[in-house]
Amino acid sequence: KNEVEQSPQNLTAQEGEFITINCSYSVGISALHWLQQHPGGGIVSLFMLSSGKKKHGRLIATINIQEKHSSLHITASHPRDSAVYICAVGGATNKLIFGTGTLLAVQP
Amino acid sequence: KAGVTQTPRYLIKTRGQQVTLSCSPISGHRSVSWYQQTPGQGLQFLFEYFSETQRNKGNFPGRFSGRQFSNSRSEMNVSTLELGDSALYLCASSLQPGLVNEQFFGPGTRLTVL
Repeated sequence: KNEVEQSPQNLTAQEGEFITINCSYSVGISALHWLQQHPGGGIVSLFMLSSGKKKHGRLIATINIQEKHSSLHITASHPRDSAVYICAVGGATNKLIFGTGTLLAVQP
Repeated sequence: KAGVTQTPRYLIKTRGQQVTLSCSPISGHRSVSWYQQTPGQGLQFLFEYFSETQRNKGNFPGRFSGRQFSNSRSEMNVSTLELGDSALYLCASSLQPGLVNEQFFGPGTRLTVL
């Protein structure tokens, strides 16, 4: 079992829909990162969380440390949100451990 | 402020050769981390450098090495290339080391080993 699990692996949504991507982890962590990767490879850091909730524009990230679970929400989704979303956790080993990613396609 | 830059962007090598990739962090960032991304294994941590010292290393063979210079620029080297080393190599910089700091990623170097 991977230390970081994401669901779903693939997600297709219609423009305007509310989207949720989930991340569960099995290790103790100091921080959790949500990353976005567009075709071509470039990665953008969306959020870094150690507790609670953060919001940036239409994106919201939450984390529940006790349940070892985080969610990334996208409100009013748009085709430009189409990308791979990756959850990564940093723990006692001081190395980032990555999930396998969620491929999101938002159709107009 | 310029972002993280990586050179070259694309590289084709043959088995047995060696390769050096370069990463220039955002000005003022002193921590540089390297990652390998392949379709089969996803993103994996290679190493982290801070103040010219390797702070951490992932589970990669000794053929993978790196260094950091006094201006925080970093290089990674892969010797005796294997087909399985074909991957996107990403570097990321942050102000300080450790995983509670936001990481800023470069565009990556796509290495193809033939």
